[in-house]
Amino acid sequence: QKEVEQNSGPLSVPEGAIASLNCTYSDRGSQSFFWYRQYSGKSPELIMSIYSNGDKEDGRFTAQLNKASQYVSLLIRDSQPSDSATYLCAAKGAGSYQLTFGKGTKLSVIP
Amino acid sequence: KAGVTQTPRYLIKTRGQQVTLSCSPISGHRSVSWYQQTPGQGLQFLFEYFSETQRNKGNFPGRFSGRQFSNSRSEMNVSTLELGDSALYLCASSLAPGPTSPLHFGNGTRLTVT
Repeated sequence: QKEVEQNSGPLSVPEGAIASLNCTYSDRGSQSFFWYRQYSGKSPELIMSIYSNGDKEDGRFTAQLNKASQYVSLLIRDSQPSDSATYLCAAKGAGSYQLTFGKGTKLSVIP
Repeated sequence: KAGVTQTPRYLIKTRGQQVTLSCSPISGHRSVSWYQQTPGQGLQFLFEYFSETQRNKGNFPGRFSGRQFSNSRSEMNVSTLELGDSALYLCASSLAPGPTSPLHFGNGTRLTVT
């Protein structure tokens, strides 16, 4: 059973701080990883993708991947109240390319 | 470019009835996936279609079925509805199956079974 695990939170950070969201996955054959943001009552919105070990930066967001440790993380710099949402980590396996989601981490940015 | 369109947005059905949900992918996207989202289980994969063929199926009973048409539009059907089928049903499209092809989600259909 392919699994993606996330701490459900809530994770509370003050405005302007760095929010760190973590995710582990069980399928060592997973090839690509995605972070989605989901506001309450809305659908998931893609914010980052990462395919190779290391860091990938996009604006205030940095995704980090360590395939040896089967670990993915998302850093949000200069957190804003508008970043308050549930962040979903997803892994795409080899072969079927099915996207498996974690249950999400709820982030609260306190003004 | 228009996003993924799902209809209807809300549905209320009675236990035992059946329901059909519709999804129009982003123009040019040929792969469509369906997910069920509930507070307790999160996003669970239902099935994926590409070129009118089901490529993958999640661990759901046979009451859940789907299809894809030649224009890439997709429908999913749930027969003999149960109370536990109440959920947000999300459709997502991508250009094609592949490791680097991300999914783009529609706004979902909120199904309530009474």
